[in-house]
Amino acid sequence: EAGVAQSPRYKIIEKRQSVAFWCNPISGHATLYWYQQILGQGPKLLIQFQNNGVVDDSQLPKDRFSAERLKGVDSTLKIQPAKLEDSAVYLCASSISGGAKNIQYFGAGTRLSVL
Amino acid sequence: AQKVTQAQTEISVVEKEDVTLDCVYETRDTTYYLFWYKQPPSGELVFLIRRNSFDEQNEISGRYSWNFQKSTSSFNFTITASQVVDSAVYFCALSEATGGFKTIFGAGTRLFVKA
Repeated sequence: EAGVAQSPRYKIIEKRQSVAFWCNPISGHATLYWYQQILGQGPKLLIQFQNNGVVDDSQLPKDRFSAERLKGVDSTLKIQPAKLEDSAVYLCASSISGGAKNIQYFGAGTRLSVL
Repeated sequence: AQKVTQAQTEISVVEKEDVTLDCVYETRDTTYYLFWYKQPPSGELVFLIRRNSFDEQNEISGRYSWNFQKSTSSFNFTITASQVVDSAVYFCALSEATGGFKTIFGAGTRLFVKA
């Protein structure tokens, strides 16, 4: 069974530029998550989708971050414009459904460096 | 409010030593789930175990064991006879059954196992 796919693995941009990350979850998983992991910290949820609807985006900086999951499968996370503090690893995860007990399966992440 | 504390930032042991990683959590819910994930250098978080709040039985899986104590709000993880391949960052996480099922991760404990 294929795991969660993310691309690119690494991205270096200058501040005020825009960047996009892509995620393809495990086939059949209804719930998709985007996390931000700053160096030395645990992952922080940015947005959670159930199929193509948003369940939780309370911690997404909506003035610069946006995400979509148009067909309920793969998803794109965008940052525009990027700030220095956005340097982090962006992790995508998926689970069969969105309940509290569900195990999340993670991709390898995209490491973003903003210069 | 949810909170997960992993007080140990880094632990270094010599191969074959036993090591315990501590996790203390806070929640007002009576129904919740606790998780441990491993993050190897490759970056993706790998699920290790899930426990629900009504099941305080300790669990052993090979060299891994988990001790869940509601009285102290702790869910500690022990690796017996550690191996170099156990070197990774380990995250404890909490997910409540109410409030949108958001998962909160601790800051992680980096484990170094030296040969």
